[in-house]
Amino acid sequence: DVKVTQSSRYLVKRTGEKVFLECVQDMDHENMFWYRQDPGLGLRLIYFSYDVKMKEKGDIPEGYSVSREKKERFSLILESASTNQTSMYLCASRLLAGYNQETQYFGPGTRLLVL
Amino acid sequence: RKEVEQDPGPFNVPEGATVAFNCTYSNSASQSFFWYRQDCRKEPKLLMSVYSSGNEDGRFTAQLNRASQYISLLIRDSKLSDSATYLCVVTTGGGFKTIFGAGTRLFVKA
Repeated sequence: DVKVTQSSRYLVKRTGEKVFLECVQDMDHENMFWYRQDPGLGLRLIYFSYDVKMKEKGDIPEGYSVSREKKERFSLILESASTNQTSMYLCASRLLAGYNQETQYFGPGTRLLVL
Repeated sequence: RKEVEQDPGPFNVPEGATVAFNCTYSNSASQSFFWYRQDCRKEPKLLMSVYSSGNEDGRFTAQLNRASQYISLLIRDSKLSDSATYLCVVTTGGGFKTIFGAGTRLFVKA
């Protein structure tokens, strides 16, 4: 079974703090993703990575950055947390892009509250 | 117009009922389609892929209509444990872009 783990289930931070969210997958997947999920808006893609040291902006990258130094680990960084970044953050991994290979496996999520 | 649209519901049905959800997508070049299930305060998990000829997995049937650009999910003999949010997922761009619908909430009551 694919396992995707996230460093924290719940996190409380103050406005202006730098926040690190870590995600690790154990199945040698090429692709990794960071989403945020808010009520009524569904999952919105923040960043994704096709391979080590590669990253692409998603739909809402503003205020976020990412790092992928190792294949199994994909980190999301909030440079200066703001209250509108309070959300559920979900990491996902996928074997690779291409027909019939697009199933994404999600971590349990991190609920971030920014005060 | 959203790229993937779903009726948010909620759908409230009794145990044993049959319920159907539809999802429309805007990009005619979309190539792969999925239904995911998300339980309350949990992560999304793949329920089933949707194939061109339609496919069935136990009580669940998925259909794809490319001409009208929608996919559907039919749940027969609903169980209490089917209560969840069902996400419609579409990929485009050679599989590189994945778009999630906002989900349809289902409540199955005894």
